[in-house]
Amino acid sequence: NAGVMQNPRHLVRRRGQEARLRCSPMKGHSHVYWYRQLPEEGLKFMVYLQKENIIDESGMPKERFSAEFPKEGPSILRIQQVVRGDSAAYFCASSESTDTQYFGPGTRLTVL
Amino acid sequence: QKEVEQNSGPLSVPEGAIASLNCTYSDRGSQSFFWYRQYSGKSPELIMSIYSNGDKEDGRFTAQLNKASQYVSLLIRDSQPSDSATYLCAVSTGTASKLTFGTGTRLQVTL
Repeated sequence: NAGVMQNPRHLVRRRGQEARLRCSPMKGHSHVYWYRQLPEEGLKFMVYLQKENIIDESGMPKERFSAEFPKEGPSILRIQQVVRGDSAAYFCASSESTDTQYFGPGTRLTVL
Repeated sequence: QKEVEQNSGPLSVPEGAIASLNCTYSDRGSQSFFWYRQYSGKSPELIMSIYSNGDKEDGRFTAQLNKASQYVSLLIRDSQPSDSATYLCAVSTGTASKLTFGTGTRLQVTL
């Protein structure tokens, strides 16, 4: 059973460009969570989604960030007009009906 | 006050010793508690989950929960160099809800 998949693993963008991060949950999991880990800091919750619905976006910055989990395909975290402060590791986690979350390998975003 | 607090360490223990990692949380509504291990540059890996007061053992790992004191701990017996990592405490208020993480305790197991 494949684990949580994320791509790309590393992403380099210049300031002002867009970043798209993708997450495919574990088979059978319908809950997807995105977390951000800034250098030397802890993991911070960003958003929780189920298929076609955003359940909790209390951790999402108000501007430039959006997330979706369409009926078909992976969940996508989109960052518009990236700035240097967006450089971080972005982790996706998935769960089924329980609250145990399993993490993907992460996408490491570097903004030049 | 931070929602989930951990001593950042590093906690240094000799090989074969018991490592004791501690975590306190502020939300009395927290129902689920997790310990994740994170190696440098890698993603968090689930080690233990605990939901009820008391101890839960899994191999060399024992999680302890005391809801009255809002305290959860992780004991690692017979520590190995491969246990050297950052250990993250995480809590949630229930099923299908976000995890709130502590900043982690860095464990070093020395030869």
